[in-house]
Amino acid sequence: SQKIEQNSEALNIQEGKTATLTCNYTNYSPAYLQWYRQDPGRGPVFLLLIRENEKEKRKERLKVTFDTTLKQSLFHITASQPADSATYLCALVDAGNNRKLIWGLGTSLAVNP
Amino acid sequence: GAGVSQSPSNKVTEKGKDVELRCDPISGHTALYWYRQSLGQGLEFLIYFQGNSAPDKSGLPSDRFSAERTGGSVSTLTIQRTQQEDSAVYLCASSLDGQVSNQPQHFGDGTRLSIL
Repeated sequence: SQKIEQNSEALNIQEGKTATLTCNYTNYSPAYLQWYRQDPGRGPVFLLLIRENEKEKRKERLKVTFDTTLKQSLFHITASQPADSATYLCALVDAGNNRKLIWGLGTSLAVNP
Repeated sequence: GAGVSQSPSNKVTEKGKDVELRCDPISGHTALYWYRQSLGQGLEFLIYFQGNSAPDKSGLPSDRFSAERTGGSVSTLTIQRTQQEDSAVYLCASSLDGQVSNQPQHFGDGTRLSIL
């Protein structure tokens, strides 16, 4: 069955460095993949969507790549700041039900000053 | 603000009681979703409403759970005869239309439900 995996271990990096988060998926070839940010006690906030025919997408300090051969998306935050500390979630549509998204468990990022 | 609004933000109730959770989506958004998020778990899809179409209830965990959306706007999620395993954060989201794969979902901050 379809599965999404994100790094379960928290990622700790120094301010100013680039954070790279991974989202791997199996048993599916989605046309789109979405990334969200979630802060404690808050709902997820949409960040970026990438299409299968886009190798890369950028928004300010954020960059997402989508490798349909590896079945992997990488999410990069350049020049990271303590305010970037949050949990980052990837999501893609369920292969068996196009009315629902399947979500990764998220990767917790801590940017240390 | 023009975001998704959920109420109450916190609810504590005794096992066996019924609870009703409310979601006010972004005006003009035709699609509305309910999710459940438990500690250490991913977002679990519960139900999807799109315009006047019949809702997709395939994620509701039991017949104690029901939801309705009146007038294509406000939605309520009802849990009857609550059990301790129902304790979780219930999140509501809306999107401009029902193209789930390529439409951003806009979330409220959820209702944190605790069953004693």
